[in-house]
Amino acid sequence: DSGVTQTPKHLITATGQRVTLRCSPRSGDLSVYWYQQSLDQGLQFLIQYYNGEERAKGNILERFSAQQFPDLHSELNLSSLELGDSALYFCASSVTSGNNEQFFGPGTRLTVL
Amino acid sequence: EDQVTQSPEALRLQEGESSSLNCSYTVSGLRGLFWYRQDPGKGPEFLFTLYSAGEEKEKERLKATLTKKESFLHITAPKPEDSATYLCAVQARHNAGNMLTFGGGTRLMVKP
Repeated sequence: DSGVTQTPKHLITATGQRVTLRCSPRSGDLSVYWYQQSLDQGLQFLIQYYNGEERAKGNILERFSAQQFPDLHSELNLSSLELGDSALYFCASSVTSGNNEQFFGPGTRLTVL
Repeated sequence: EDQVTQSPEALRLQEGESSSLNCSYTVSGLRGLFWYRQDPGKGPEFLFTLYSAGEEKEKERLKATLTKKESFLHITAPKPEDSATYLCAVQARHNAGNMLTFGGGTRLMVKP
């Protein structure tokens, strides 16, 4: 158990819909990261927040957005969902924004029908 | 663009048969190289961080090494419970924040 929690574990929805994924980092960690893992693309970085502020952005679609709240939990919002958005979404956290180890949560499996 | 290539894609070993997994990387200014283990349907589990060429780290049956172009994960006398996908990732100095760029992974199967 990494100490990173994610909800829900599974999510099944239809194309065009909007969903919110939630992540609570390990106690004391200030940085939160979101990654997407699909069969054809592997594990891809989406976005990083540090102490409430956006720190880095990867190949995150404009339909996706995220935020980190004052209690440091984070939410990833996915809208206008397409079939290709079906994937595992992982949240990770680390102590600071330096080159610290990132600890991953158990993931949310999103299925878009 | 940062690139990470892992080989082989899949590896079958008999219990006790030692081997190595390879991670080749191209990055402009390596800040760190990370190894993770991932079981099916689970989140990646952190194993090692290597920062500079010549560095080595060990944990139980695993040993990670780093050169300027690649990293190896050596598995000594593996057991069936070592079966998993092993992921390699790099962090680059030129990137804002500390995003990880992952390789495609090596799926290891250890038969009893």
